[in-house]
Formats: sequence, structure tokens, C-alpha cells
Amino acid sequence: QVQLQESGPGLVKPSQTLSLTCTVSGGSISSGSYYWSWIRQPAGKGLEWIGRIYTSGSTNYNPSLKSRVTISVDTSKNQFSLKLSSVTAADTAVYYCARAMITFGAPPGGNWFDPWGQGTLVTVSS
Amino acid sequence: QSVLTQPPSASGTPGQRVTISCSGSSSNIGSNTVNWYQQLPGTAPKLLIYSNNQRPSGVPDRFSGSKSGTSASLAISGLQSEDEADYYCAAWDDSAWVFGGGTKLTVL
Repeated sequence: QVQLQESGPGLVKPSQTLSLTCTVSGGSISSGSYYWSWIRQPAGKGLEWIGRIYTSGSTNYNPSLKSRVTISVDTSKNQFSLKLSSVTAADTAVYYCARAMITFGAPPGGNWFDPWGQGTLVTVSS
Repeated sequence: QSVLTQPPSASGTPGQRVTISCSGSSSNIGSNTVNWYQQLPGTAPKLLIYSNNQRPSGVPDRFSGSKSGTSASLAISGLQSEDEADYYCAAWDDSAWVFGGGTKLTVL
């Protein structure tokens, strides 16, 4: 059973770059047809999709964050990563990584998110 | 403000049936399938319903989903105390996944 685990600094200063890694266990990140996504949730608020990557390296980002987001993959480590630049307090949130299955006719972001990582809280503050 | 519109709260007593609505537009629900996620307090979201009305293995058949036009609904029958959670709908919208703002379900 595939499991995802986020890791990275819990505190980032304003204007700096937020960097997180998602480690995939119980299966290869390169096997099957899946997209690997990042999703965030500010405290007490709803979910926001950040973007996704395929193991080929192709990416798709939320237009609202596109100018600041980079998602990359390291198949040798079974990991994918998120970088969000020029952060502000508005970027404070729990960040989740998730897998999305790709089937015939699926939209560019995949079909649905399953499983999810447990999430990691990132606070932007000086 | 979320692209998909959900009621912020819903409630019911044990054994009752409750429904949660999700309203969108032609660019999201109107042209793509809808998924539902359940988020228990302090935990990550979990897939509850996919492709409008399909249940993943392990999800009780008390949970059901439907879609019509630009709206979708989640129904929970035989409400149980462990169903108290936040529920989110989601759909692809042109160039990004969009979510509803979430509905907090309280079991009275």
C-alpha cells in the first residue's frame, strides 16, 4: 500500500522560498500511471491545489500560483518536491502531497487524489 | 472564495439521512466528474466518492454521490457519530483542480 510523507522546514521567513519534499513508500513513484500533486490548506479554510508532476518531469500548475511554484521529481529517491518562492503570511498552511491516478480521458490533473500524505504545517513568519 | 459552492454546515441525528450540495459551473462540474473527500478532525482528507458516484474499497455504502448538470450532491444515510467531519467536493476546471469551501457535518 502506497504511503506519502511530507517533510521540510516548519518555519520560513517572508520573501524566502518554501521547500518541501514528499517521500513515496510502498511502491515506485515511476510505476503505473499517476500524477503527483501538492495541495495546501490554511488553518480553518478550504483546500487549494498547487500543482502536479508526472515522472517524465511534465508539470501543471495552478494559474494563481504558477509564477512562484516549481515542482520537481527525483525518481532515484522516490520523491517529489515543491518550491514556492517569495512567500508571505498568506502562504502559511498545512501542505499535503497526494497521488492522482491517470486513466483514459482523465483531465490534466488526474482523476482523483488517493492517497494523501498526513500533511505538514508551514508557517511564514519573521 | 471557493470556485465550488458548498453550505458551510450541515447536521443530523444518528440514523438520519443528510445531503450536502456542491454547486459549480460549466467549466468544472458541468464538464468533468466530481470527487468527494472526508476530513476527520486533525487528519488529512480521504477519498470518499470518485467519478461522481463511485465508492473506493472500504467506504460504507451509506455514502453515495450524484451529479446533475453543474451541481453534485453527497448523501449520507444512517448517520453515525463517526461521520462528523468536514466534507469537500472537487472537480477539474479548465487548468486546475478546484474545491468547495467544505461543509462541516455535525452529528447531534
